[in-house]
Amino acid sequence: GENVEQHPSTLSVQEGDSAVIKCTYSDSASNYFPWYKQELGKRPQLIIDIRSNVGEKKDQRIAVTLNKTAKHFSLHITETQPEDSAVYFCAADTVGANNLFFGTGTRLTVIP
Amino acid sequence: GAGVSQTPSNKVTEKGKYVELRCDPISGHTALYWYRQSLGQGPEFLIYFQGTGAADDSGLPNDRFFAVRPEGSVSTLKIQRTERGDSAVYLCASSSGSEQFFGPGTRLTVL
Repeated sequence: GENVEQHPSTLSVQEGDSAVIKCTYSDSASNYFPWYKQELGKRPQLIIDIRSNVGEKKDQRIAVTLNKTAKHFSLHITETQPEDSAVYFCAADTVGANNLFFGTGTRLTVIP
Repeated sequence: GAGVSQTPSNKVTEKGKYVELRCDPISGHTALYWYRQSLGQGPEFLIYFQGTGAADDSGLPNDRFFAVRPEGSVSTLKIQRTERGDSAVYLCASSSGSEQFFGPGTRLTVL
């Protein structure tokens, strides 16, 4: 089955700096890669996703890049704000199914 | 509109007891998923329903876990003979396409 690895596990940045979180996946047939943000005690919420037919996608301060050959994808948050502080999870789908395999999460802290 | 809801929000039970966790998906979503999230980990897939049928139950850890969705809407996750290791947040998600919308979860504590 799919195996998703995520790093770093924790990340602290100064407000206004950029944050980058990286994930790798094992199943070359995976084609959908969402990123979820989870605040303490809350549900995971989708912030951006990318399909394997594109290499990059942007939404305001958030961007995701995908390298299919290397089987890795990254989340980039620019001009970070304290409200960006949360745990971020990457995920990949599985061939022939709709369930997601999640990374272990990155706890992002934005220092005001 | 209303999002995915789950009840109860918290459940404390004793080892060996039976529990039921309920999920109300977004209206019209045919796909429903159950995940389990342990502290400091990402959600772990348990089971996926498409309509009334379990399309993939490969994530259920053992035969103490069972889930139903009899009318293709509400789903119930059932855990028999609970063990302390079952303690986690149980998340439900629904979708009508690729994006999965998560519920707030049920925090299960087995004493």
